[in-house]
Amino acid sequence: GESVGLHLPTLSVQEGDNSIINCAYSNSASDYFIWYKQESGKGPQFIIDIRSNMDKRQGQRVTVLLNKTVKHLSLQIAATQPGDSAVYFCAETGGANNLFFGTGTRLTVIP
Amino acid sequence: DAGVIQSPRHEVTEMGQEVTLRCKPISGHNSLFWYRQTMMRGLELLIYFNNNVPIDDSGMPEDRFSAKMPNASFSTLKIQPSEPRDSAVYFCASSLMNTEAFFGQGTRLTVV
Repeated sequence: GESVGLHLPTLSVQEGDNSIINCAYSNSASDYFIWYKQESGKGPQFIIDIRSNMDKRQGQRVTVLLNKTVKHLSLQIAATQPGDSAVYFCAETGGANNLFFGTGTRLTVIP
Repeated sequence: DAGVIQSPRHEVTEMGQEVTLRCKPISGHNSLFWYRQTMMRGLELLIYFNNNVPIDDSGMPEDRFSAKMPNASFSTLKIQPSEPRDSAVYFCASSLMNTEAFFGQGTRLTVV
């Protein structure tokens, strides 16, 4: 029979453009958030994190924004490159050190 | 450090057989996580340990699954007996408490 899987949100961007990937979380007690990148055949790889006492954090070409009021997290990638093509996950922890992942967004960079 | 090391990378087994997945966390990390990834359910947290003690195993699907961490440098996830629906990629990750988790390359399990 036909296999049914998770419907991954997808985002296609032109090389050189900026990308914005969004994530909603539900646990008000979550105090630590992480973005991961997963390439095909590999484990998730840490990109950037943010704690709940901050609303913005910048890394190299990446910025994470946290809006605790609406429980929303976003990852901005500047000047997106073909190597950025992957599935991106947000993850949250509620202080108990467990780490729960969202369903992921597939980013495709068009050369 | 070589990162989180999982073995085997691939495992094909027959239904009903016992399967043991192995994980060596990053030296010095005190938290260890086991995840399962499938197309249907995405990345699911099965169990995690702090300082070798299981803290939350509510994600373990059923009694056929068990995990141990006999010391700070080794953990196993066992499925007995295995079923075709257990086919998935199983990831181990480790971290220092309340910091980012580092993932291994995963074990791709196929139960036929």
